[in-house]
Amino acid sequence: GQQVMQIPQYQHVQEGEDFTTYCNSSTTLSNIQWYKQRPGGHPVFLIQLVKSGEVKKQKRLTFQFGEAKKNSSLHITATQTTDVGTYFCAGRMNYGGSQGNLIFGKGTKLSVKP
Amino acid sequence: NAGVTQTPKFQVLKTGQSMTLQCAQDMNHNSMYWYRQDPGMGLRLIYYSASEGTTDKGEVPNGYNVSRLNKREFSLRLESAAPSQTSVYFCASSEGTGGVYEQYFGPGTRLTVT
Repeated sequence: GQQVMQIPQYQHVQEGEDFTTYCNSSTTLSNIQWYKQRPGGHPVFLIQLVKSGEVKKQKRLTFQFGEAKKNSSLHITATQTTDVGTYFCAGRMNYGGSQGNLIFGKGTKLSVKP
Repeated sequence: NAGVTQTPKFQVLKTGQSMTLQCAQDMNHNSMYWYRQDPGMGLRLIYYSASEGTTDKGEVPNGYNVSRLNKREFSLRLESAAPSQTSVYFCASSEGTGGVYEQYFGPGTRLTVT
C-alpha cells in the first residue's frame, strides 16, 4: 500500500547539536503534517505544509516541503532536553490515498544527552 | 474543555475476551479516528468516521468493530481479543476528514492480551 518513509528511526544527539528527520513518499503528497509524541504521551500536532517548496519556522524548528511535494524535513537547531520524543510526519496522497486520510511515517525517536 | 478523552487507560485481557474502548471529544469535531501504535510501526489507522452516522475501514480493520454513537462519541470493540492486538490505541478527532485538518489525540489506552 501507500507508504510514507521516515528516516532515521533513531537519533541520539548531545544537547546543543542539530537534528534532522526526513520524510519521503513515492507519490506526490497534497499536504504533510508533523506531530511530536513525548515519551509515554500522545501525538501532538506541530504544523502543516501545503505548498511546493514551503518553509515554515517555529522557534528552533524548521519545516520544509520539497519542490516536488514528495519529501519533507524537520530540522531542530541546538537541541534541548525538552525536544526529546518521537517526531512523526503524516502525508495525504494527492489522488486521495486511503480515502484521503493521513498516512503516518514510522517516526524518528530523538534522545538528547545533557 | 477536555479535548479527547479515552477510557480505560490500561486494560489486560485474556485471549478470546471482548471489550470496548470508549472515546469522546468536546470540540464539536465532525471526524473521529482509531489508531493503533506498535513499537517501530508508527500509527496505523483502524477505522474512522468522517461524520456522524458513517464509519469506514482504515489500514488494519480486521478483528475490530466501531460505533459512532453520536457526534461526540466513537467506540472501538474487540469481539475476541488476540495477543496480536496487544498495542496502544489512540482515538483522535478533527474538524473534517481528508487529511487536511490537524488531528487531536486522546491520551491512549494500553491494552495487553495474554
